Amino acid sequence: GNSVTQMEGPVTLSEEAFLTINCTYTATGYPSLFWYVQYPGEGLQLLLKATKADDKGSNKGFEATYRKETTSFHLEKGSVQVSDSAVYFCALKLYSGGGADGLTFGKGTHLIIQP
Amino acid sequence: SQTIHQWPATLVQPVGSPLSLECTVEGTSNPNLYWYRQAAGRGLQLLFYSVGIGQISSEVPQNLSASRPQDRQFILSSKKLLLSDSGFYLCAWSVSSGKQETQYFGPGTRLLVL
Repeated sequence: GNSVTQMEGPVTLSEEAFLTINCTYTATGYPSLFWYVQYPGEGLQLLLKATKADDKGSNKGFEATYRKETTSFHLEKGSVQVSDSAVYFCALKLYSGGGADGLTFGKGTHLIIQP
Repeated sequence: SQTIHQWPATLVQPVGSPLSLECTVEGTSNPNLYWYRQAAGRGLQLLFYSVGIGQISSEVPQNLSASRPQDRQFILSSKKLLLSDSGFYLCAWSVSSGKQETQYFGPGTRLLVL
């Protein structure tokens, strides 16, 4: 089956530190990959995505590169801010061609940025 | 632009009571619609999805059901709630576009069953 594995945390960093949240996946096909962010008490917001190998998704200073050889999609940011404190979800989607396809999510990584 | 609404935002219900959560999408036609649940300490689990009016697919057999009475309306229901139904319920929409398809989520409904 399909699955996503990510570090659960909490991950605690100081402001301006470098961030890496690891995400690896297993899939029966060739998935699209996503990072979503959930701020306290809110729904999920799409952060970035990549649909093929070596694609780099980027948004708000965050980046992730689709690595097919290591089946990974690690999230990085060079300098985090307190406002980046949230839960980050890695997810994959396989395109079946037959209609809607649900997302398979990791369990989420709680990120805490201290001033 | 497209927007997605969910209500209520928060709900506290006794065990055995019925449930109806509503999700509506504006600014798009014939979207794919999804219900996910986020339980405490667990990731998000896909419950149902729909590609059109009256078309519902269930991913996980359970105490819940879904309906799509209108193109942009998706309803999650239960006849008798269980304690294990507590969680954060998220509705999402997308427009089919192959590998580029992206799901956008609503603000969620927090359900506590006592």
